[in-house]
Amino acid sequence: ETGVTQTPRHLVMGMTNKKSLKCEQHLGHNAMYWYKQSAKKPLELMFVYNFKEQTENNSVPSRFSPECPNSSHLFLHLHTLQPEDSALYLCASSQVPGGDSYEQYFGPGTRLTVT
Amino acid sequence: GQSLEQPSEVTAVEGAIVQINCTYQTSGFYGLSWYQQHDGGAPTFLSYNGLDGLEETGRFSSFLSRSDSYGYLLLQELQMKDSASYFCAAFSGGYNKLIFGAGTRLAVHP
Repeated sequence: ETGVTQTPRHLVMGMTNKKSLKCEQHLGHNAMYWYKQSAKKPLELMFVYNFKEQTENNSVPSRFSPECPNSSHLFLHLHTLQPEDSALYLCASSQVPGGDSYEQYFGPGTRLTVT
Repeated sequence: GQSLEQPSEVTAVEGAIVQINCTYQTSGFYGLSWYQQHDGGAPTFLSYNGLDGLEETGRFSSFLSRSDSYGYLLLQELQMKDSASYFCAAFSGGYNKLIFGAGTRLAVHP
C-alpha cells in the first residue's frame, strides 16, 4: 500500500448505528487530519493530530469521535448520526512543519450516507 | 470569520489559458495552496505560495499578493484532463490548519 488509504470506501448507516472509519498513511508523516466534504461547500477541517496528539477540534459535534493510536493510523468513530452528516469524509496527512513542502496528501475518502 | 472566495465555475477551450482568482480573509495567514480534485477523486496538491510573487510548475502557475489578500492559479495550454474542481486553501495560524475555498469547477471543451 502506498500513500493514504481509507476504509470503507462507502458506508450506509442508520441514525442509531455505530460505525468507524479507518485511515492509514504510509508516508512517515507526523500529522493527520479529518475533513468533511459536502456538496457545494468547502472542505471542512474537523480534527488535527500532531504526533498522535489532538491539536485541533473545529467545533465538531460529539457524535464524531476521533482516535489516533499512532502516527500512521487515524479513526473516526460515528454514533447517532443525523442525515445532514451524509458527506465524503477525507483523511489527509502531512509533515509539519512544512519544510520545503506544504502538501497535504489525501486519501480517496469514505462516502457516508445516513438514513 | 475566516473565508476564501473563488468563482464557482469557469469554462474554457483546449489550448487556452485560464486564471482562477482567490481572495481570502483569514487570521494568522501563513500561505496559500491550490488543490485539484477530479470527480470521484481525492484532492491533489498543485502549488504553494508563502511569499508574494509567482510560482511556476509546468503548465500551472500560482501567484500571491499578501497586501491584497489575493492569489490566483493560472493554467496554460489547457487539456481536457484539466477539467476538475480547483480549490484555494489558506494556512491559518500554523501549517496544521488549512482553510479551503468552496472550489471552482473548470470545464474544458474541445
